Amino acid sequence: AAGVIQSPRHLIKEKRETATLKCYPIPRHDTVYWYQQGPGQDPQFLISFYEKMQSDKGSIPDRFSAQQFSDYHSELNMSSLELGDSALYFCASSTWLGNTEAFFGQGTRLTVV
Amino acid sequence: GQQVMQIPQYQHVQEGEDFTTYCNSSTTLSNIQWYKQRPGGHPVFLIQLVKSGEVKKQKRLTFQFGEAKKNSSLHITATQTTDVGTYFCAGKGAGSYQLTFGKGTKLSVIP
Repeated sequence: AAGVIQSPRHLIKEKRETATLKCYPIPRHDTVYWYQQGPGQDPQFLISFYEKMQSDKGSIPDRFSAQQFSDYHSELNMSSLELGDSALYFCASSTWLGNTEAFFGQGTRLTVV
Repeated sequence: GQQVMQIPQYQHVQEGEDFTTYCNSSTTLSNIQWYKQRPGGHPVFLIQLVKSGEVKKQKRLTFQFGEAKKNSSLHITATQTTDVGTYFCAGKGAGSYQLTFGKGTKLSVIP
């Protein structure tokens, strides 16, 4: 069965550079969630989208922005990268209606040097 | 907005001891879900509870949903080293459909 696809799996950037992470949800899933997990920490909710509209916002820095496109894939754009942005970024997808679980991707490991 | 609180944040147990993590929501939930994340892995769905007072079991794991549908617990009997990981709950608010995750409980099992 198709799962949530995240790309790239690994990314190395220098300070003050920009990065774009992509998430392709499971087919027919209309909701996407983004999480940031620092080394040894628990996932922190960043932002979520439903039908291309932002549905909820967590601890996402102003330097980050995200959007969901017409094909439901989502991109997390990160600018002016800082060392502290080094983390594992997870994307999860689910359906908005009904009692369905969220499926997580394998994550993108971002290292800022 | 809806908040989901989970305690404890960390739990260290000897192998064979029991473990419980608790989840509380600021609002009534339509359902609550539990996930497990192994070290270095991604969160994986364990179970979903929908009915008030519901209790479900998966081998040594027992999941409960409170009568008021605002709290839940996960209990592991006789922990094993394979139980190591972070367990977190996620709730969908009644009428809102937004899935809100708790901060998780990190379980360490000492052999």
